[in-house]
Amino acid sequence: DMQMTQSPSTLSASVGDRVTITCRATQNINTWLAWYQQKPGKAPKLLIYGASSLVSGVPSRFSGSGSGTEFTLTISSLQPDDVATYYCQQYSYSFGQGTKVEI
Amino acid sequence: EVQLAESGGGVVQPGGSLRLSCAASGITFSTYWTSWVRQAPGRGLEFVANIKPDGSYTSYLGSVRGRFTISRDNAKSSLFLQMNSLGAEDTAVYYCAINEHWGQGTLVTVSS
Repeated sequence: DMQMTQSPSTLSASVGDRVTITCRATQNINTWLAWYQQKPGKAPKLLIYGASSLVSGVPSRFSGSGSGTEFTLTISSLQPDDVATYYCQQYSYSFGQGTKVEI
Repeated sequence: EVQLAESGGGVVQPGGSLRLSCAASGITFSTYWTSWVRQAPGRGLEFVANIKPDGSYTSYLGSVRGRFTISRDNAKSSLFLQMNSLGAEDTAVYYCAINEHWGQGTLVTVSS
């Protein structure tokens, strides 16, 4: 089965820092990758689809890149509201294990 | 506005069964792949199952294959998950998901 591996599992940074999360797939998934943000007690929120397309209304400090087996989510300037857990997902299938972002 | 509303969760004994439902509105349900995703307490998101728009293809997480069955009724814009032979490891909040749209989840607790 396809596996998605995220790193790091936890990330602590300061307000204004540039933050990068990596997601690796065990098979080539082209750009069939999404990134989600989840806050405690809430359903996940889609941030990025197609590996790099930003969902309407999502702040432009979020960006995604990559194709094939390696992908990244970048927050260009970390804000307090970005404290959350972030997940990558191969479209409609397996998720990464999550990256908890703290300030 | 798209709304997904899950129901059917609750407390069940090990080995028991539950049927989850998800009612969709504000979306042309019959044209979308739909999924069930679960999240055990304090754990990450886990894909459970998905189904093609016409219901002709389904896919499952390995650990639920043979115990869970996903189905849909496009005429009623509804998604279902029949869960049999439940174990403690199935305790989780179960979400219905269609692309970027997610329900609020329904809690399934397997406990004696």
